[in-house]
Amino acid sequence: DTGVSQDPRHKITKRGQNVTFRCDPISEHNRLYWYRQTLGQGPEFLTYFQNEAQLEKSRLLSDRFSAERPKGSFSTLEIQRTEQGDSAMYLCASSLTEMEGTEAFFGQGTRLTVV
Amino acid sequence: DAKTTQPTSMDCAEGRAANLPCNHSTISGNEYVYWYRQIHSQGPQYIIHGLKNNETNEMASLIITEDRKSSTLILPHATLRDTAVYYCIVRVANNAGNMLTFGGGTRLMVKP
Repeated sequence: DTGVSQDPRHKITKRGQNVTFRCDPISEHNRLYWYRQTLGQGPEFLTYFQNEAQLEKSRLLSDRFSAERPKGSFSTLEIQRTEQGDSAMYLCASSLTEMEGTEAFFGQGTRLTVV
Repeated sequence: DAKTTQPTSMDCAEGRAANLPCNHSTISGNEYVYWYRQIHSQGPQYIIHGLKNNETNEMASLIITEDRKSSTLILPHATLRDTAVYYCIVRVANNAGNMLTFGGGTRLMVKP
C-alpha cells in the first residue's frame, strides 16, 4: 500500500464551475477525513466518514460542498459553483477506528485554484 | 479539544537537537498530545503522540511535563529535511473520530 492517494494534485478552474476531487485511503482504514488548508494556515476539518456513513460535517462545509464515500472505500469531494474563496489545498486523511490514540495518515492534497 | 500555544518560528543548526515546545495548560485528563509536521507542499505527517508518559520512536521523542500542561518535541539530530511546520495538537482519543484541530504551528528552519 502506498498510502493515501489524492487526485488530481492540482486543479485550476474558472469561477462558477464544478470540481470533483478523489481520495483513495489506506486500504484497511475505515475512517476517512477531508480537510481544507489555505495559505499560511493549518488544515481545517471539513467532514469525516466511518465506512460509507458521513458522521460529522464542519460548519465550513457549505451547501455547495458535498462528499461521498459510496462503498466505504474511496471518497469524492465535489464543490459546485466554485468561488475564488474556495482556492485552497484540500487534504484527505484516513485512519483506523481507534480504541485509544491512533494516527491519521494524510495524502499529498489537491491544490485548487479558482480564477 | 484543548488549545495549544507554540512559538511561531524557530531555527536550529543542522546536526543539533531541535526542541519544540508546546503549551496546553487546559488539557483534560483524557486528551492526548499529538505532533504532526508538514513539509512544504505536502500533507501533514504524523510524528508521535502520548498521554502522560514520555514517548520515543524512530523520528522523535516527546517529553510531557508531570502536570501535562506542556510538552516538548525533540528531534535529536536535525537535518535539512526536518525543515517544516510542526503542529502540536491535543485531542481526545476515542471512537468519536479523529478530527484534528490544527493551530498555526511552529515553522522550524534547520540551517547548515
